[in-house]
Amino acid sequence: GENVEQHPSTLSVQEGDSAVIKCTYSDSASNYFPWYKQELGKRPQLIIDIRSNVGEKKDQRIAVTLNKTAKHFSLHITETQPEDSAVYFCAASLPGGGADGLTFGKGTHLIIQP
Amino acid sequence: GAGVSQSPSNKVTEKGKDVELRCDPISGHTALYWYRQSLGQGLEFLIYFQGNSAPDKSGLPSDRFSAERTGGSVSTLTIQRTQQEDSAVYLCASSGGGETQYFGPGTRLLVL
Repeated sequence: GENVEQHPSTLSVQEGDSAVIKCTYSDSASNYFPWYKQELGKRPQLIIDIRSNVGEKKDQRIAVTLNKTAKHFSLHITETQPEDSAVYFCAASLPGGGADGLTFGKGTHLIIQP
Repeated sequence: GAGVSQSPSNKVTEKGKDVELRCDPISGHTALYWYRQSLGQGLEFLIYFQGNSAPDKSGLPSDRFSAERTGGSVSTLTIQRTQQEDSAVYLCASSGGGETQYFGPGTRLLVL
């Protein structure tokens, strides 16, 4: 089955700086890669996703890049703000989602230092 | 429209008791997923329903876990003879047919 590795487990950056979280996946058939943000005690919220037919997607201060050959994808947050502090999870899915669901990384605790 | 809802939000039970967790997906979503999140950990996939059927139950941690979905909507996850290691947040997600999944708030289960 699919295996997703996520690094780092904890990331501390100064407010205003950029943050980058990286993930690798094992199954080359995976074609959908969402990123979820989970604040303490809250549900995971989808913040951005990318499909394997594109290499980059951007939404305001967040962007995701995908390298299918290397089987890795990254989340980039620019001009970080205190409200960006949360745990971020990457995930990978086979076509159509289906019986295997999403395979998640173990999460990155992002801390924005004032 | 309403998102995914789950009940109860919190459940404290004694070791050995059975518990039942409920998930109401987004209206019209045919796919429903259960995940388990242990404290400070990632999300572990448990089971998937397409309509009322669950093609693959191999993700369930043990035979004490079962799940059903009726009417293509509400799903229940039942844990029999609960153990302390079952303590976790149980999250439900639904999908409208593509890959994007929307999560409920979870049920926080504590087994004493």
